[in-house]
Amino acid sequence: GEEVAQTPKHLVRGEGQKAKLYCAPIKGHSYVFWYQQVLKNEFKFLISFQNENVFDETGMPKERFSAKCLPNSPCSLEIQATKLEDSAVYFCASSQNPLANPGGYTFGSGTRLTVV
Amino acid sequence: AQSVSQHNHHVILSEAASLELGCNYSYGGTVNLFWYVQYPGQHLQLLLKYFSGDPLVKGIKGFEAEFIKSKFSFNLRKPSVQWSDTAEYFCAVKGEYGNKLVFGAGTILRVKS
Repeated sequence: GEEVAQTPKHLVRGEGQKAKLYCAPIKGHSYVFWYQQVLKNEFKFLISFQNENVFDETGMPKERFSAKCLPNSPCSLEIQATKLEDSAVYFCASSQNPLANPGGYTFGSGTRLTVV
Repeated sequence: AQSVSQHNHHVILSEAASLELGCNYSYGGTVNLFWYVQYPGQHLQLLLKYFSGDPLVKGIKGFEAEFIKSKFSFNLRKPSVQWSDTAEYFCAVKGEYGNKLVFGAGTILRVKS
């Protein structure tokens, strides 16, 4: 399809519980990006993939956060033992090749994670 | 590392007023520059982008932006805003070698009808 599909739209977790977010990139797009938007502030880059390989993980918190993009499956972002500060909207974007086509990012509608 | 600064966090305008939102970036090399808009409850949508060539870029919905390399700026403009322009606007930069976007903190625009 021509949209980046993120599920679920809303997710509520108690502190310490696990949260798992999904992102289906546009077909044919080989790059996937995850961003975190906290309290309507700037978008913080978390991680990017080229196909199933991690391309850039400089924004990923070392503990508790992990992500995967496996063939023939939606990409996922998982947070173990959530904390209140993880409450945010998590956006996924996909691109064919951002180095060759810098404007070609398409963003999903986001998953709003609320940790209570 | 790249960074982006948006000068105004909140802007309130009346309909038909002119708009200019400031954006400055820090990066020494070649950059690609973007403005995105986020309407309430929606995802980011691309307004316009600059790669090279004419520094005055025209985007959708009557928006334009000017890249001034000497000032490291990429300000967004619209001659006459409408109530439907109420949204949050994000400036972003991508360096020549990376593939991620670095965003500014956003500017919330409210247009009064």
